[in-house]
Amino acid sequence: QVQLVESGGGVVQPGRSLTLSCAASGFTFSTYGMGWVRQSPGKGLEWVAFISYDRHNRYYADSVKGRFTISRDNSKNTLSLQMNSLRPEDMAFYYCAKGGAPVGAAFDSWGQGALVTVSS
Amino acid sequence: SYVLTQPRSVSLAPGQTARITCGGNDIESKTVHWYQQKPGQAPVLVIYDDNDRPSGIPERFSGSNSANTATLTIRGVEAGDEADYYCHVWDSTSEHYVFGTGTAVTVL
Repeated sequence: QVQLVESGGGVVQPGRSLTLSCAASGFTFSTYGMGWVRQSPGKGLEWVAFISYDRHNRYYADSVKGRFTISRDNSKNTLSLQMNSLRPEDMAFYYCAKGGAPVGAAFDSWGQGALVTVSS
Repeated sequence: SYVLTQPRSVSLAPGQTARITCGGNDIESKTVHWYQQKPGQAPVLVIYDDNDRPSGIPERFSGSNSANTATLTIRGVEAGDEADYYCHVWDSTSEHYVFGTGTAVTVL
């Protein structure tokens, strides 16, 4: 079955960087778009970024554009999110999610989330 | 940017029908997905492409999309359906995914 396991969360000071990873298994990773979605404690879901199956297209929420970079390694079945210039408002659980081949498809599988805490 | 508006909460007794709305400008021109999230857990897809159910999701869950409102319907609500529900679309104009504001369903 599909399994998505996030890692790399932790406590980081404002202005610093952190990279999240998502190890995927149970499906042909290289044929599906992948996304990151975050959720601040007690708040709703917020889409962060999406990358197409072939890495040709990357999309970002306005709140993270220019600071975050989504990438993937299809040879290692791994999705990453490089987060720079972190702000207190970036503090959240970050979920890795499996999309479809066409952008716009549902996120049909999710990881359990990685907590990012931004605090001095 | 595109906005999806949901009621903050819906409360109903077991066995009743829950209708959770998701309002957006001309949402019928978009494809809507719905997720269920229970406390401390990751979201789970319950409806995709307006009205299709993933395997393992009960037939009690259904969706519709018309004009400016998409609706998730849960027939015969059970205690286990108590959760937050979110609608979700891809806005091709902004090239952004958008989530609704979320609706907390309480089964009395």
